[in-house]
Amino acid sequence: NAGVTQTPKFRVLKTGQSMTLLCAQDMNHEYMYWYRQDPGMGLRLIHYSVGEGTTAKGEVPDGYNVSRLKKQNFLLGLESAAPSQTSVYFCASSYRQGWAYNEQFFGPGTRLTVL
Amino acid sequence: DQQVKQNSPSLSVQEGRISILNCDYTNSMFDYFLWYKKYPAEGPTFLISISSIKDKNEDGRFTVFLNKSAKHLSLHIVPSQPGDSAVYFCAASLNSGGSNYKLTFGKGTLLTVNP
Repeated sequence: NAGVTQTPKFRVLKTGQSMTLLCAQDMNHEYMYWYRQDPGMGLRLIHYSVGEGTTAKGEVPDGYNVSRLKKQNFLLGLESAAPSQTSVYFCASSYRQGWAYNEQFFGPGTRLTVL
Repeated sequence: DQQVKQNSPSLSVQEGRISILNCDYTNSMFDYFLWYKKYPAEGPTFLISISSIKDKNEDGRFTVFLNKSAKHLSLHIVPSQPGDSAVYFCAASLNSGGSNYKLTFGKGTLLTVNP
């Protein structure tokens, strides 16, 4: 099992450019998440998905869009990148057994710099 | 409003001694708490969790204590090892309302264990 993988690992964009970050998981998890981590800010939820074809906004969704066309993939898009979106982006996935919540499994991260 | 707080940005301890990392929360509805460990350039990895029906959970060198009346939890690492040096994130979730898959993270505490 590869777990949660993210593509690319690093990217530099110019202001106004667009890009898509890809997250893939091979654990058959229902739930997937995108977070950003900034110095001194911890992990903040951008968008999440509770199943194929469904997405929802998290804590800091502005400037981002997401899609979950396949259960194993969760895409994060930046339509017009801004320097404020310079951050490290983490994807995570989790599953549910009955009522019990299970921990989230994280990918290795994508370091994005917007100039 | 920050619902999960880790008030110590950093902590330094000697190898072999106890490390105590603290976390406070403001939302009394939180009923599941987790600790994650993060090394530089890697994604967070799950360490240990505790349900609100318990006040202690132990896994090897790691023990998490929960004080619901004080809305406080702590992670004890005994004995501390240099390999424990990492950023530790506290996280919390609500089990009610069908949203127990979402985590709220603290800002993290950088633990340094000196040989």
